[in-house]
Amino acid sequence: GENVEQHPSTLSVQEGDSAVIKCTYSDSASNYFPWYKQELGKRPQLIIDIRSNVGEKKDQRIAVTLNKTAKHFSLHITETQPEDSAVYFCAAPESKLSFGAGTTVTVRA
Amino acid sequence: DTAVSQTPKYLVTQMGNDKSIKCEQNLGHDTMYWYKQDSKKFLKIMFSYNNKELIINETVPNRFSPKSPDKAHLNLHINSLELGDSAVYFCASSQGELAVQETQYFGPGTRLLVL
Repeated sequence: GENVEQHPSTLSVQEGDSAVIKCTYSDSASNYFPWYKQELGKRPQLIIDIRSNVGEKKDQRIAVTLNKTAKHFSLHITETQPEDSAVYFCAAPESKLSFGAGTTVTVRA
Repeated sequence: DTAVSQTPKYLVTQMGNDKSIKCEQNLGHDTMYWYKQDSKKFLKIMFSYNNKELIINETVPNRFSPKSPDKAHLNLHINSLELGDSAVYFCASSQGELAVQETQYFGPGTRLLVL
């Protein structure tokens, strides 16, 4: 989305290492930040989301952190496994839900 | 028991033809969407309907016309197909009216190839 910037566009990590994807947004009123995972040939699916009343949320090996002052939020994947290989999208709501351009994560065995 | 379903899954057609894609959700959601995902994987919203009413209409050529016969269905009709229409089209739904703050449930996608 034009108002949601996502970096990096590609990320290759060794199995077992961590992966971090960062998104920045422009609308300071945004208060909901989801992350979607899209495996090859499949549909995007929500993996984790965070609302602006918390700074961090964790679900097993996945965590999301939010910095409202700096207007950025990040996805952290620890102990990466081959099945984590996918395209990951962040999103931030404005008048509509704007998606980042996606990060292709490849986990090397 | 598929939550959001789309038909067809694949669509190969000639330039200039007219085609439709159908979408149905059985989640009882109030809001449905159409997204276009191009070859670079960029996901862009095209339309959004809430309880059969159009609420988002992005800058999309008027060759694209959505139709929502009821809140469980949102179809997409495309007239005079062009090469640039080739993409994957995803239907999605979410629970309520504040859709921008809710989980989006995507359909499996329709892979459209215009020759």
